Amino acid sequence: QKEVEQDPGPLSVPEGAIVSLNCTYSNSAFQYFMWYRQYSRKGPELLMYTYSSGNKEDGRFTAQVDKSSKYISLFIRDSQPSDSATYLCAMSDVGNQFYFGTGTSLTVIP
Amino acid sequence: GAVVSQHPSRVICKSGTSVKIECRSLDFQATTMFWYRQFPKQSLMLMATSNEGSKATYEQGVEKDKFLINHASLTLSTLTVTSAHPEDSSFYICSANQDRVSNFGAGTRLSVL
Repeated sequence: QKEVEQDPGPLSVPEGAIVSLNCTYSNSAFQYFMWYRQYSRKGPELLMYTYSSGNKEDGRFTAQVDKSSKYISLFIRDSQPSDSATYLCAMSDVGNQFYFGTGTSLTVIP
Repeated sequence: GAVVSQHPSRVICKSGTSVKIECRSLDFQATTMFWYRQFPKQSLMLMATSNEGSKATYEQGVEKDKFLINHASLTLSTLTVTSAHPEDSSFYICSANQDRVSNFGAGTRLSVL
């Protein structure tokens, strides 16, 4: 079993839709959770960072962490064509070892 | 946030030549940096962990003599693809961690003719 599981998609939604991206994990030691956005032929850029359980909101983006279910989510409200990218989840433990999901490819159709 | 600079962004070279890719942490010191390889529409694949002042740690299946890593200072790690061949063509990305966050470079697209 992989440490981090992420549905690769592809996911295609109309402009303005709410997008839900998810990852599950198996290691209860993970404490730090991140979402990255990667445009084609670019390096991943950090979108959201969350410590432990709870929600974090930044503009149209909301990150949720449910440690009891070992499940994290990224919600994108009012999705825009510019949101079309691959979204990677990542998590780390206290030892600073990072684990990445495979990425979900998202296309927002105008 | 912390910035990681990667250079060059694009390399086209002939088969048999060596290519060096630089990764710099611009506003923080990084004793450890990571090198990834990414094929089209696939996830990041960790190649090696670069350790300042000591040997790099390579992942299983990655040829040490093929992908030479040097981490001579706290802000610079280099990856040299030696005697590159067409199958080495890929997108190479470095990263460095700060404050529990992994910061990525912009990536280097290598095309070997």
